[in-house]
Amino acid sequence: EPEVTQTPSHQVTQMGQEVILRCVPISNHLYFYWYRQILGQKVEFLVSFYNNEISEKSEIFDDQFSVERPDGSNFTLKIRSTKLEDSAMYFCASSATENSPLHFGNGTRLTVT
Amino acid sequence: LAKTTQPISMDSYEGQEVNITCSHNNIATNDYITWYQQFPSQGPRFIIQGYKTKVTNEVASLFIPADRKSSTLSLPRVSLSDTAVYYCLVSERGSGYSTLTFGKGTMLLVSP
Repeated sequence: EPEVTQTPSHQVTQMGQEVILRCVPISNHLYFYWYRQILGQKVEFLVSFYNNEISEKSEIFDDQFSVERPDGSNFTLKIRSTKLEDSAMYFCASSATENSPLHFGNGTRLTVT
Repeated sequence: LAKTTQPISMDSYEGQEVNITCSHNNIATNDYITWYQQFPSQGPRFIIQGYKTKVTNEVASLFIPADRKSSTLSLPRVSLSDTAVYYCLVSERGSGYSTLTFGKGTMLLVSP
């Protein structure tokens, strides 16, 4: 079964540094998403992306965040200047259509020190 | 968005059937009900989705009464590997699944 893959599985960075989290969605999917989950808390929506542009974003997704689909296979989340509170699991997801269920990757654990 | 309420935790034993009920009293006409499963340190995994009556797949069944104000996820003959958090979500079709809002879910613990 095709799956969403995310790299790295764990990223440690210092406060103020930039990080890029990478995702390879399922190949025939057109809708892409980022969610995050702070340890012990709920899975939170960050942003959705379709047709090379952001379609929705939450209030968490401020100017420090950006997303990009640099080529036909990758989907990235960039955090420009990380803060301690950005420490969380970041999940990428994709869906074939707007109405299809989301397929999630296994996440990148980001630790900001 | 319709708010969902589900038990915080449930306990079961291997081989038993587990039913997890979710309340969504203010569900709208266009809303669908979707259940996800999440293991520790993994992303949520889609289990099943339905609109009304009963839906069954190879993993679970979903029962939705006529008023659609609740739904029950049924897991037949659970095993230890079914220990996970189960999320009930309500979302409007056509508005994009970006509107999926995860609650705290139900932590199911299956014991030998």
